[in-house]
Amino acid sequence: DQQVKQNSPSLSVQEGRISILNCDYTNSMFDYFLWYKKYPAEGPTFLISISSIKDKNEDGRFTVFLNKSAKHLSLHIVPSQPGDSAVYFCAASDTGTASKLTFGTGTRLQVTL
Amino acid sequence: EPEVTQTPSHQVTQMGQEVILRCVPISNHLYFYWYRQILGQKVEFLVSFYNNEISEKSEIFDDQFSVERPDGSNFTLKIRSTKLEDSAMYFCASSPQGAIIGEQYFGPGTRLTVT
Repeated sequence: DQQVKQNSPSLSVQEGRISILNCDYTNSMFDYFLWYKKYPAEGPTFLISISSIKDKNEDGRFTVFLNKSAKHLSLHIVPSQPGDSAVYFCAASDTGTASKLTFGTGTRLQVTL
Repeated sequence: EPEVTQTPSHQVTQMGQEVILRCVPISNHLYFYWYRQILGQKVEFLVSFYNNEISEKSEIFDDQFSVERPDGSNFTLKIRSTKLEDSAMYFCASSPQGAIIGEQYFGPGTRLTVT
């Protein structure tokens, strides 16, 4: 059941450059999309989110873009920093508060010096 | 900054034994969840809990699983008779009333190893 897919298991980017992480979904009922970051031996940390009525949300170095017609979202990190090295999960829900999150398989980002 | 805490960090148990995983959600949060992540796989939803009852559960959450909020601070997940395939990281999460997009805040997880 691959309702949320992250097709790139890993990504390597130089410090200072842009990191672009991609996510595709199949369920048209999803209305809310979230990105989480996960370090080893820790739980997922909420990063940024977007509702389906928007196509862009920005928070500091992080921007999430949503293309509803393509059922695609992306996370841009500019500029990338070594501390951004982690696994990034895309997640989706259909009703917001109290709704279960459906996660993708994650993309491991490595930011190199 | 308030955070979700979980105990123990690692639990080893024998097949068929009961385990209780404990969580203390963020104090003013009203919605509680359990997720699990089997090694190398995605994070999967197990159950959500609100107003002292289960709001939603996945097909993974069968009769062997139960949740409880025994007091004002703890939220527990019980597995009655553990199986080898229950070995996973179990994450507790919570979210506040009126969370803008239902963002959930996760604990560090309990690694459950069933032998």
